[in-house]
Amino acid sequence: DIQMTQSPSFLSASVGDRVTINCKASQNINRYLNWYQQKLGEAPKLLIYNANSLQTGIPSRFSGSGSGTDFTLTISSLQPEDVATYFCLQHNSWLTFGSGTKLEIK
Amino acid sequence: QVQLKESGPGLVQPSQTLSLTCTVSGFSLTSNSVSWVRQPPGKGLEWMGAIWSGGSTDYNSALKSRLSISRDTSKSQVFLKMNSLQTEDTAIYFCTRFGLGVMDAWGQGASVTVSS
Repeated sequence: DIQMTQSPSFLSASVGDRVTINCKASQNINRYLNWYQQKLGEAPKLLIYNANSLQTGIPSRFSGSGSGTDFTLTISSLQPEDVATYFCLQHNSWLTFGSGTKLEIK
Repeated sequence: QVQLKESGPGLVQPSQTLSLTCTVSGFSLTSNSVSWVRQPPGKGLEWMGAIWSGGSTDYNSALKSRLSISRDTSKSQVFLKMNSLQTEDTAIYFCTRFGLGVMDAWGQGASVTVSS
């Protein structure tokens, strides 16, 4: 089974900061990596699919990059409404989620 | 508008069987696949399994022996049944629309507690 190692597990940043969250796959997953945002008490929301494609309706400050085993979610300018937990999901071989990154405002 | 809604008992006794229903609207089950994902309290997400648009199923190998997913296309419903429940199965259970590896729509989740 493919394991996804997500880092950091917790992140505190200021409004306007550039924020990066990483996921590393235990083996090559090509570009089959999605990113989700989950706010407290809500279902996850798809942000990025296939490593770098922005889901319709998601603000352009969110972007994804990477291929193979290393992937990054970037928020170019952190907004208060971005407080949430972020998960990656690989879908190259079955499906495996990362452990999540809890993002807070400093 | 694409919608999914989970329903089922909030409390299940240990060793018993969990039955959940996902009722969908805004899309057809014969053209779209549905996946189940769960989230234990304060923890991450776990993919449980999926039923494909053609009706075949796939399961997480860790749950395969206990899990069954089925559907009734005429009622736009997908069913999850999992037996031999233990306290570690306490979680929020989500159904999602699933296509080409992308879960693009989620239900609000059904909270299930396993306790006597």
